[in-house]
Amino acid sequence: RKEVEQDPGPFNVPEGATVAFNCTYSNSASQSFFWYRQDCRKEPKLLMSVYSSGNEDGRFTAQLNRASQYISLLIRDSKLSDSATYLCVVIKAAGNKLTFGGGTRVLVKP
Amino acid sequence: GAGVSQSPSNKVTEKGKDVELRCDPISGHTALYWYRQSLGQGLEFLIYFQGNSAPDKSGLPSDRFSAERTGGSVSTLTIQRTQQEDSAVYLCASSLVIAGDQPQHFGDGTRLSIL
Repeated sequence: RKEVEQDPGPFNVPEGATVAFNCTYSNSASQSFFWYRQDCRKEPKLLMSVYSSGNEDGRFTAQLNRASQYISLLIRDSKLSDSATYLCVVIKAAGNKLTFGGGTRVLVKP
Repeated sequence: GAGVSQSPSNKVTEKGKDVELRCDPISGHTALYWYRQSLGQGLEFLIYFQGNSAPDKSGLPSDRFSAERTGGSVSTLTIQRTQQEDSAVYLCASSLVIAGDQPQHFGDGTRLSIL
């Protein structure tokens, strides 16, 4: 089983709709979590950190469920520019390396 | 600019040749990472450096791969006797420290093609 798993998608989303997807992690000692966005043939860029209490940044909401060992990302009022691959990143402990999920591809269509 | 700089941006070479990829991290960033991304795949961790500590080489796929970081700044990733499966985009990232809330900043990557 991979340490960090994501549904590869693609999630085909009508413009203006809401889309949500999860990322599961296998190591219960994981401490820090992030969502990155990667556009086609570009480097990943940090989208947002994921805090235990959940956090929101504009149209994006991230949640952490430690009991079930997953994090989620919800995008409201999807824009065409939201089309990208969303990478889940997990750190087991400070001083340890980041582990990336395989990414979830989101396609927002008019 | 002040971002992570990688060179070359593209490299095409014949199977069996050695290649060297360079990464210049953001000034002051103590942590440096190398990843690779094969076509249609996720990011694969290769190696990271933190300050003067011994690097974590656990992600290097074979002994043909090596990396060094001189003076705590610039890093080079070397692939010896390249194989076609080495073709990928090699991404370098740096962060201020390896800590839970310190994001990584990525370079544009080196696209390596082995003929």
